[in-house]
Amino acid sequence: EAQVTQNPRYLITVTGKKLTVTCSQNMNHEYMSWYRQDPGLGLRQIYYSMNVEVTDKGDVPEGYKVSRKEKRNFPLILESPSPNQTSLYFCASSSGGHTDTQYFGPGTRLTVL
Amino acid sequence: AQSVTQPDIHITVSEGASLELRCNYSYGATPYLFWYVQSPGQGLQLLLKYFSGDTLVQGIKGFEAEFKRSQSSFNLRKPSVHWSDAAEYFCAVGAWGGGADGLTFGKGTHLIIQP
Repeated sequence: EAQVTQNPRYLITVTGKKLTVTCSQNMNHEYMSWYRQDPGLGLRQIYYSMNVEVTDKGDVPEGYKVSRKEKRNFPLILESPSPNQTSLYFCASSSGGHTDTQYFGPGTRLTVL
Repeated sequence: AQSVTQPDIHITVSEGASLELRCNYSYGATPYLFWYVQSPGQGLQLLLKYFSGDTLVQGIKGFEAEFKRSQSSFNLRKPSVHWSDAAEYFCAVGAWGGGADGLTFGKGTHLIIQP
């Protein structure tokens, strides 16, 4: 089954404790991206990757890092989480970049205390 | 950079009634337009998309959308809604290039279906 998986689905952590949210897709897509969803703000793009070792900032990259060492994986790293990063995070992938259908993961709900 | 406006935060429709969700975009060239639906506790699923050609686009679940360049709009419609259509709907515009010219979502419209 074609899918995008994220782990963990739920995470409660404390300020400053580094964390990683994993994202993996099995569709051989070149393009992957991360979004955060906040009430009243919709989805905002954090980072995206056009291919292995190629990443770029989206609209709200501050406080986040990503890496793309393999085509199927695109982890989101919060080196020093802060409460304003409490949000619902989605990973997505597509074969054709921004202009193609995005396939979304189930989401990761992160709470930073 | 492009932008998307969904003027209605909430819409309530009776089951069986018709639906129209509004979307206005701002983009300098021909846009790539999408409608996504998010059911409670779920990720987003593509309903339909417009790249070029026929301005009336058919999607899944009986939805359609019409691209109107003169009005910079891409409104979503359904002739008769079902209770299962209750969800959050997002309009999005995509562009070639990176950074702020990537994929931009509207803030969403929450659809409530009343019996």
